[in-house]
Amino acid sequence: QVQLVQSGAEVKKPGASVRVSCKGSGYSFNTYGISWVRQAPGQGLEWMGWISTYNLNTDYAQNLQGRVTITTDTSTSTAYMELRSLRSDDTAVYYCARDQRLSPNDYYDYLDYWGQGTLVTVSS
Amino acid sequence: QSALTQPRSVSGSPGQSVTISCTGTSSDVGGYNYVSWYQQHPDKAPKLMIYDVTKRPSGVPDRFSGSKSGNTASLTISGLQAEDEADYYCCSYAGSSYVFGTGTKVTVL
Repeated sequence: QVQLVQSGAEVKKPGASVRVSCKGSGYSFNTYGISWVRQAPGQGLEWMGWISTYNLNTDYAQNLQGRVTITTDTSTSTAYMELRSLRSDDTAVYYCARDQRLSPNDYYDYLDYWGQGTLVTVSS
Repeated sequence: QSALTQPRSVSGSPGQSVTISCTGTSSDVGGYNYVSWYQQHPDKAPKLMIYDVTKRPSGVPDRFSGSKSGNTASLTISGLQAEDEADYYCCSYAGSSYVFGTGTKVTVL
């Protein structure tokens, strides 16, 4: 069965960086993209960015450009999301999700499998 | 990119139908048939319920249905059940990104 398993909770100080991992299994990892979505406490879902596991193209949300980097290691079927210069309002649960979009020429369509989520707490 | 607009909450008794609206613009919901809906129970990851406006993934009950008219998409839950109580989010293609809705809490009375 398709699974995305994320790394554990993190506590960081303002200004620090965090890297969250997402390991896929049960499918051919390089035939689907990966998107990252975050959810602040009590708030809605916010798309952060996407990576093609095929050609490593990326897209990022405008409001996070310059602070977020999404990478992938296809040899281990793992995607990573790094967020830098952390602020208190970056405190959220971070999810990875399997994305139908594999090529920059494709549309953003839907996210069919999600990781369990990783809580990142930013606090001094 | 502004979030799509959803009602904050809707409610219904078991067996009734409820409909959640999702209003965007011609640059997202109205411009493409790439609207999806996600169900989220407390402290759980979102689950895909509808994609491409009307399609249901395998395993999703047929009491969930989607539609779209102009810039507004809708999710209807027919024959409401206790386990349908959750938050629901719409999502649309928006050019170079996804845009999510503000979220709707469905309460089963």
